[in-house]
Amino acid sequence: GQNIDQPTEMTATEGAIVQINCTYQTSGFNGLFWYQQHAGEAPTFLSYNVLDGLEEKGRFSSFLSRSKGYSYLLLKELQMKDSASYLCAVLDSNYQLIWGAGTKLIIKP
Amino acid sequence: GAVVSQHPSWVICKSGTSVKIECRSLDFQATTMFWYRQFPKQSLMLMATSNEGSKATYEQGVEKDKFLINHASLTLSTLTVTSAHPEDSSFYICSATDRDFYEQYFGPGTRLTVT
Repeated sequence: GQNIDQPTEMTATEGAIVQINCTYQTSGFNGLFWYQQHAGEAPTFLSYNVLDGLEEKGRFSSFLSRSKGYSYLLLKELQMKDSASYLCAVLDSNYQLIWGAGTKLIIKP
Repeated sequence: GAVVSQHPSWVICKSGTSVKIECRSLDFQATTMFWYRQFPKQSLMLMATSNEGSKATYEQGVEKDKFLINHASLTLSTLTVTSAHPEDSSFYICSATDRDFYEQYFGPGTRLTVT
């Protein structure tokens, strides 16, 4: 079966750095997405990785290791507005998105 | 950037009635549209995938006669919840992809409450 694992909830302090991990087992791989979802809102796109390595975009970075079936989202200089759920999703061999359950990130002052 | 709209953003209806939700891609042609449902504090659940001009593909456990999907054009898909019941109350979100990239652009969602 296809499976994506990410922690259910994480807590971090404003101004700090947090890393949200995602491991996956899917039938084929055509890329991995990270989405941010604030409560009561639709997801918004953060990043897409299809090759190994680190992609940096402002305060957010995403890393992929295809051989390990592993990705992480790194958030720096945390702000209160970063409190949200972060969804990891993998595009499988049929180009279907397989979603993780999401990681709820709580930022404390 | 690609924009997807949904209408209505929220709706309250009585049990037994039907509700139609529209999903539009405003500045691109969506080859494929997806419909998701999300219950409070849970992740997205894919309900169905639709391609323009063809029948939708429903996920296991989703009743196709209850959740009617029409993808009549490259910019419009509709989801009709027929004979709605309180357990259908949820957050319904559509997304769309274009020809060149498989990123899904999400609509803002529709909150349905069935009384």
